[in-house]
Amino acid sequence: NAGVTQTPKFRVLKTGQSMTLLCAQDMNHEYMYWYRQDPGMGLRLIHYSVGEGTTAKGEVPDGYNVSRLKKQNFLLGLESAAPSQTSVYFCASSYHDRGEAFFGQGTRLTVV
Amino acid sequence: KQEVTQIPAALSVPEGENLVLNCSFTDSAIYNLQWFRQDPGKGLTSLLLIQSSQREQTSGRLNASLDKSSGRSTLYIAASQPGDSATYLCAALNTGNQFYFGTGTSLTVIP
Repeated sequence: NAGVTQTPKFRVLKTGQSMTLLCAQDMNHEYMYWYRQDPGMGLRLIHYSVGEGTTAKGEVPDGYNVSRLKKQNFLLGLESAAPSQTSVYFCASSYHDRGEAFFGQGTRLTVV
Repeated sequence: KQEVTQIPAALSVPEGENLVLNCSFTDSAIYNLQWFRQDPGKGLTSLLLIQSSQREQTSGRLNASLDKSSGRSTLYIAASQPGDSATYLCAALNTGNQFYFGTGTSLTVIP
């Protein structure tokens, strides 16, 4: 059982470049989340989705866009990467709004 | 906004010792509270989930308690082992579908 899978695991971008991070879950979960983890700041919510075709902003959404065209996938896009977006990005999913959250292994992104 | 605090930030104990990790939150209107383990360079592994209507949950050597009225949760680890060394995170789920995370307690169990 794969659970939550993130692609890629590592990436280095130059300032101004764009990229998309893919999150895939095989647990038929309705809710999906994107977090970033920075030293001393814990995990902060970027965007989330409560079902296929829906998205909503979290605590730190600026500079990011998301899409949930299929229930099992949640994409996080950076249109013009900035050094401040250097972070570890985690995707998570849960069955419903009070369910246990499961996390992927993370994507380490460096913007130079 | 919910604020979650974990104290201490780091803890070092000898193997075999029982220990308690603390998590406090400011907004008691939570749906649930979840404890995670994170190994260096890895993702988060779910340990225990406590619904708002529950007082505690147990899994093996782990026991988590929840006191909503005081805004506190504790994770009790019995008979600690070197393999328990990791960072432990707690997260409170509030209305708005957002988990609020503490910054974690880094645990080292010394053989």
